[in-house]
Amino acid sequence: GNSVTQMEGPVTLSEEAFLTINCTYTATGYPSLFWYVQYPGEGLQLLLKATKADDKGSNKGFEATYRKETTSFHLEKGSVQVSDSAVYFCALSGLTSGSRLTFGEGTQLTVNP
Amino acid sequence: ETGVTQSPTHLIKTRGQQVTLRCSSQSGHNTVSWYQQALGQGPQFIFQYYREEENGRGNFPPRFSGLQFPNYSSELNVNALELDDSALYLCASSLAGGQTMKFRYGYTFGSGTRLTVV
Repeated sequence: GNSVTQMEGPVTLSEEAFLTINCTYTATGYPSLFWYVQYPGEGLQLLLKATKADDKGSNKGFEATYRKETTSFHLEKGSVQVSDSAVYFCALSGLTSGSRLTFGEGTQLTVNP
Repeated sequence: ETGVTQSPTHLIKTRGQQVTLRCSSQSGHNTVSWYQQALGQGPQFIFQYYREEENGRGNFPPRFSGLQFPNYSSELNVNALELDDSALYLCASSLAGGQTMKFRYGYTFGSGTRLTVV
């Protein structure tokens, strides 16, 4: 079945540091890949997505590239801010699973001033 | 456009009771899915409704059931509540199309209902 593995957290950074959160997946075919963000006490917000190999999703300074050869979709940001503190979830939607999303365990990011 | 709204925001129930959670889909969306998010974990897919019929189910027992109404709003019902049902329940809507029902777009999630079973 489909699965998503995220790097273990939590991650603590200083403001303006570089961020990488690793995500690898297992799926048949060519899934769509997503990053969602969850702020305290809130639901999930779509951060970015990629639907085919070599696509790069980007939003609010965050980027992730769909790497078919390494089955990865790592999230990066060049300079994090305190307001980026949240939980980040990598997810996929596979062809055989229809539209259901399979999520990773989430990575807690804390950015200190 | 309106987003996805869920009610209630918080709920406390006793083990063995039944609960109904409600969700109003984003305007223009025809598909709704429900997810269970236990504390410190990623959301787990419960089931999805498309055109008022269940269209996919995760690894949840039959005491988890749902409905989708003609206006695309939805309910999640859980019978015989257990302590392990304590979680954040998320509703998500999207616009489905195509024979494979594959979504190339992200879902719009609500803020969730925090259910505590005591």
